[in-house]
Amino acid sequence: RKEVEQDPGPFNVPEGATVAFNCTYSNSASQSFFWYRQDCRKEPKLLMSVYSSGNEDGRFTAQLNRASQYISLLIRDSKLSDSATYLCVVNSLGTNAGKSTFGDGTTLTVKP
Amino acid sequence: DAGVTQSPTHLIKTRGQQVTLRCSPKSGHDTVSWYQQALGQGPQFIFQYYEEEERQRGNFPDRFSGHQFPNYSSELNVNALLLGDSALYLCASERGEETQYFGPGTRLLVL
Repeated sequence: RKEVEQDPGPFNVPEGATVAFNCTYSNSASQSFFWYRQDCRKEPKLLMSVYSSGNEDGRFTAQLNRASQYISLLIRDSKLSDSATYLCVVNSLGTNAGKSTFGDGTTLTVKP
Repeated sequence: DAGVTQSPTHLIKTRGQQVTLRCSPKSGHDTVSWYQQALGQGPQFIFQYYEEEERQRGNFPDRFSGHQFPNYSSELNVNALLLGDSALYLCASERGEETQYFGPGTRLLVL
């Protein structure tokens, strides 16, 4: 089992739709959590950090459930420009401090 | 303010050869991490360098080695290349526990 698992996707949605991605992690010592966006043949770029209380950035909302070891990303009012692969990232403390573990990503295609 | 830069952008090698990839961190960053991203997968952590020392390492064989220079730039070396080493190699830099910034990557093809 992978340390970080994401919905396999792909997700194909119409413009304006709301879409949610899920991510689970296996290391209970995980301390910080992020969503990155990666466009085709480009490098990953930070979309948002994920805080315990949940956080929102415009149309994007991230949630963390430590008890269930689960992270989510909600995108409202999808735009064509949201089409990309979304990567869930988990950082740990202790012996794994400094090591970022990525999921394999979920691909989103927003269609007109 | 230059971001993370990597060279070369593309590289073709044959099995058994050795390769060196280079990374210059974002200005002000002192920590460099290297990742391997195979097609259809997420980036896999190779190792991280801080103060010219390898601080953390992922599950990669000793064929993968690195170095960090006093100016914080870094190299990734891969010996005895295998077909399975074909991937996008990403460098990321950071300072302290701030956000990681990724470079554009080097695409390595092993024939």
